[in-house]
Amino acid sequence: KAGVTQTPRYLIKTRGQQVTLSCSPISGHRSVSWYQQTPGQGLQFLFEYFSETQRNKGNFPGRFSGRQFSNSRSEMNVSTLELGDSALYLCASSVAGGYTDTQYFGPGTRLTVL
Amino acid sequence: GQQVMQIPQYQHVQEGEDFTTYCNSSTTLSNIQWYKQRPGGHPVFLIQLVKSGEVKKQKRLTFQFGEAKKNSSLHITATQTTDVGTYFCAGPWGEYGNKLVFGAGTILRVKS
Repeated sequence: KAGVTQTPRYLIKTRGQQVTLSCSPISGHRSVSWYQQTPGQGLQFLFEYFSETQRNKGNFPGRFSGRQFSNSRSEMNVSTLELGDSALYLCASSVAGGYTDTQYFGPGTRLTVL
Repeated sequence: GQQVMQIPQYQHVQEGEDFTTYCNSSTTLSNIQWYKQRPGGHPVFLIQLVKSGEVKKQKRLTFQFGEAKKNSSLHITATQTTDVGTYFCAGPWGEYGNKLVFGAGTILRVKS
């Protein structure tokens, strides 16, 4: 099976711009989670989607949003970019997003905000 | 809120030495998961522990889950240069358990 794929792998944006990141989960996986990884804050949960519904959201401002399509692919959007949004954004998929489900991570999108 | 503490932050070992990282949760966990992230890579799932007092082995790696299901450890015997990376523990939270709360990770460097 192909793994989780994320596009683009690298992005450079300037403050104030907005960005959209894409994630394709493993075939058959219906849950997609997004995480932000920074040296200072580590890995932090952004949100999770299952069957096109957001089921859980982390402590991030409303500038961070996401959606999931009927084929389980997911996108996340960050509007009005700030310098502090520079991070590795990781997407993880699992079968159903339950307590014992293993989350498989994609390679991430490295976002740099100038 | 949910917190997962992990120590040490860094560990440099000579190749062949052992390595241990410890994880402690602020609340009882339904299970604990361990991930490894190589430099420049992404987290890769290693194992999940579910039962109180559970011990699992993967070759030179030994994982333990505490009796109270609030702490866990990962021990690597006779480290090799291929063990280099950051090791994270994570606990599931939320109504569906779909939110993983990660420890800060332990960075392992191995000197050959």
